[in-house]
Amino acid sequence: QITLKESGPTLVKPTQTLTLTCTFSGFSLSTSGVGVGWIRQPPGKALEWLALIYWDDDKRYSPSLKSRLTITKDTSKNQVVLTMTNMDPVDTATYYCARNAMVRGVMPFDYWGQGTLVTVSS
Amino acid sequence: SSELTQDPAVSVALGQTVRITCQGDSLRSYYASWYQQKPGQAPVLVIYGKNNRPSGIPDRFSGSSSGNTASLTITGAQAEDEADYYCNSRDSSGNHLFGGGTKLTVL
Repeated sequence: QITLKESGPTLVKPTQTLTLTCTFSGFSLSTSGVGVGWIRQPPGKALEWLALIYWDDDKRYSPSLKSRLTITKDTSKNQVVLTMTNMDPVDTATYYCARNAMVRGVMPFDYWGQGTLVTVSS
Repeated sequence: SSELTQDPAVSVALGQTVRITCQGDSLRSYYASWYQQKPGQAPVLVIYGKNNRPSGIPDRFSGSSSGNTASLTITGAQAEDEADYYCNSRDSSGNHLFGGGTKLTVL
């Protein structure tokens, strides 16, 4: 059974750095073709892809947020960490982590965490 | 451009067929994946690739693609299909994209 769960602060102040951890089970991030990504969703708005890290430590970032994002993995702990610097109220959103795996030549986000709501406010 | 465009809202009568579309240049090279999201819940993958359904997804959900347009079709829509639907693909740089979402209303 594959599960993912996000953890981190629910409230951060403007200009602070957000650190979110995705803890997963049921798969390994050392398996070829597997990645873990972060996607966020502001209240009432659409999904926005943020970052993705692959089994071989290849990393991809949203071009519009690249300067603020860092994604890392700890394979031994089954964790992926996302940091986002210089938080602003517009970054208030539910943050999801999701597995990204090669299936029939496609790489969908096939398993998702429940999401964690992060509010940016002073 | 690296964008995926969806109609904001679509409605369908109970039991009828509805098509939700997604347009973008990346779809000429890469297949779309489709996600269903109900209020207060995480997205769920319903279609990926040419026309593949994860285990547990009803066969009334199907996918297709032509040129720069991907489509999600629900044949015989049910009340429980009322949700937001998002398309997702990647671009040539390996970056992912999500469409703006389509709110499906089942009448």
